[in-house]
Formats: sequence, structure tokens, C-alpha cells
Amino acid sequence: AQSVTQPDIHITVSEGASLELRCNYSYGATPYLFWYVQSPGQGLQLLLKYFSGDTLVQGIKGFEAEFKRSQSSFNLRKPSVHWSDAAEYFCAVGPRVSSYKLIFGSGTRLLVRP
Amino acid sequence: GAGVSQTPSNKVTEKGKYVELRCDPISGHTALYWYRQSLGQGPEFLIYFQGTGAADDSGLPNDRFFAVRPEGSVSTLKIQRTERGDSAVYLCASSANQGNEQFFGPGTRLTVL
Repeated sequence: AQSVTQPDIHITVSEGASLELRCNYSYGATPYLFWYVQSPGQGLQLLLKYFSGDTLVQGIKGFEAEFKRSQSSFNLRKPSVHWSDAAEYFCAVGPRVSSYKLIFGSGTRLLVRP
Repeated sequence: GAGVSQTPSNKVTEKGKYVELRCDPISGHTALYWYRQSLGQGPEFLIYFQGTGAADDSGLPNDRFFAVRPEGSVSTLKIQRTERGDSAVYLCASSANQGNEQFFGPGTRLTVL
């Protein structure tokens, strides 16, 4: 079955520290991969996406993610976290044939300590 | 420009009632999607429209759920005989075409008492 696993429900980091949010997927073939951020009262915003090519993808707000086919992972990273990064982060996959049907993980809530 | 808007932002109803949730996509976007997000979960796909037609409604949980997009722009998600388990945030997204980036609205929080 197709699924996305985000093993960390909550993560707390200090402002200025580095961040890595984990994402593993189970899929029949390499899907399209996405990271979204959801702030309270806001819609989901796309941070970055991987379709093909370079496995290290740069996104908005200083985020990057690395696709590792051998580990079926697409972890999100940021070298220095800002207080405004506190939000919920969702990893999602979409099939290459019908990429509209996104499958989301259950999310990781990021808390930032001042 | 304006993003995806959804109304109402909050809806409280009683078990057994009928509700309608509205989505205004980004102007010119031909593809529209509905997702449902339960507490502590990620969004789950419900239905996808390309233009006026529902291209994929495989995510609708049962026949109490129905969605329309009569003029290829605004969409309405309709839920009949609501149940407490229908309580969730209903998200709408649109994209310029299938496969393009999906832009999400802020959602409608539905509470069924």
C-alpha cells in the first residue's frame, strides 16, 4: 500500500540550531515528492518538490530536502531555524501518472525555543 | 493576486443536518481538489475536478458526500446527514492544470455535534 511515514510527531529545536525532519515513503515506483508547511489559520504552503534530476532540492525559506532512493526517504533540512519556522510540516507523495492525488504523512509539529 | 478562498471558515452543525462548503479557486485554475484533514492527521484526498467534471471521486468516503463545480470555477462540497465522524478541516486546492503545484486554501473547520 502507498504510504508516507513521518516518525516524529513533535520536534523542538532552539532558534539558530539546525533542523532535520524525517520522511519515509512506501510506493511502487519513485513518486513525485513534496514538503508542505501549515501555519495556524493558514493554508498548506509548498516548500519544495522533487520530480527528477538532482537529488538535493532547494526550496523556499532556506529549506532543502534530499531524496535517497535506497532509503525511500525525503528528509527536510534547514541549517539555522528561525522562530517563524514554528509550524506543522507535511511530507507528501504523488504518483507520476496522476500526480494530483497527493498522499500526505501525518505531519511533524516543529516548536522553536527562543 | 488572490489565493484560494473557502467559506465558511468554521461551521458547527448538528448530527443529521446537511452542510455545504464552498471553495473559490485561483482565477484561471482548471484543476480543483478537495481534501479532508482529521485532527492529528495529514490531509486525505477526496475528489479532483478538471474543469466542470469530477475526474476522480475515489476518495469520497460514502454517498453522503457529493461535490459539484458547475461552471468550472467555484466548487461546493455537500455533506448529507452529517455524522460526528465527519468533523474535520476540509481543504480545497487548485492548480493551473493537473500535475501542477496545488495551492491550498485555509480550510473550513466542520464540527458536528
